[in-house]
Amino acid sequence: SQQGEEDPQALSIQEGENATMNCSYKTSINNLQWYRQNSGRGLVHLILIRSNEREKHSGRLRVTLDTSKKSSSLLITASRAADTASYFCATETSGSRLTFGEGTQLTVNP
Amino acid sequence: DSGVTQTPKHLITATGQRVTLRCSPRSGDLSVYWYQQSLDQGLQFLIQYYNGEERAKGNILERFSAQQFPDLHSELNLSSLELGDSALYFCASSVGARSNQPQHFGDGTRLSIL
Repeated sequence: SQQGEEDPQALSIQEGENATMNCSYKTSINNLQWYRQNSGRGLVHLILIRSNEREKHSGRLRVTLDTSKKSSSLLITASRAADTASYFCATETSGSRLTFGEGTQLTVNP
Repeated sequence: DSGVTQTPKHLITATGQRVTLRCSPRSGDLSVYWYQQSLDQGLQFLIQYYNGEERAKGNILERFSAQQFPDLHSELNLSSLELGDSALYFCASSVGARSNQPQHFGDGTRLSIL
């Protein structure tokens, strides 16, 4: 079963609005990563947050991590039509594998 | 452009056949990962190689095998194909052996079993 579960499964917003996606996981993690996947393309790494970090920023992206609640959120501010994609969280527990969630499909309407 | 190259982009074959998917990692990356993405199973980790050696194994069927060559390119071999093997197969690469760093994905091979 998937370690990470994204919420919501689908999100539709207007250009300029903020988009928030959540990820919950089950076991203790070393780090959590967010990836974007455009339709028919490979995943693109967005941001990595370590278990001892609470918040991280990269451009219009803000990621938070709450290890006590085993959850993370990805905020995209001032969204653009080009942000339309699926967003996945991935967790590293131990060793070398990443476990991906099922993703949130974000649609940004122009 | 991630720097990871996968060939072929599309593959159509029949049940019972065998195919080979190829991946060239990003320059300087020593790890190669293989993933399967399907609508019902999501993105599933199959196997990882690091500098030519198998490093981690995931939900890889016995009908599937992989290897990483001295030049670091990798091949995923799928045999006795079944309809359920239809999926997108991704290769990713990273510098080190651990998953505490970004992975760089190719655009995948879409495998269709008829």
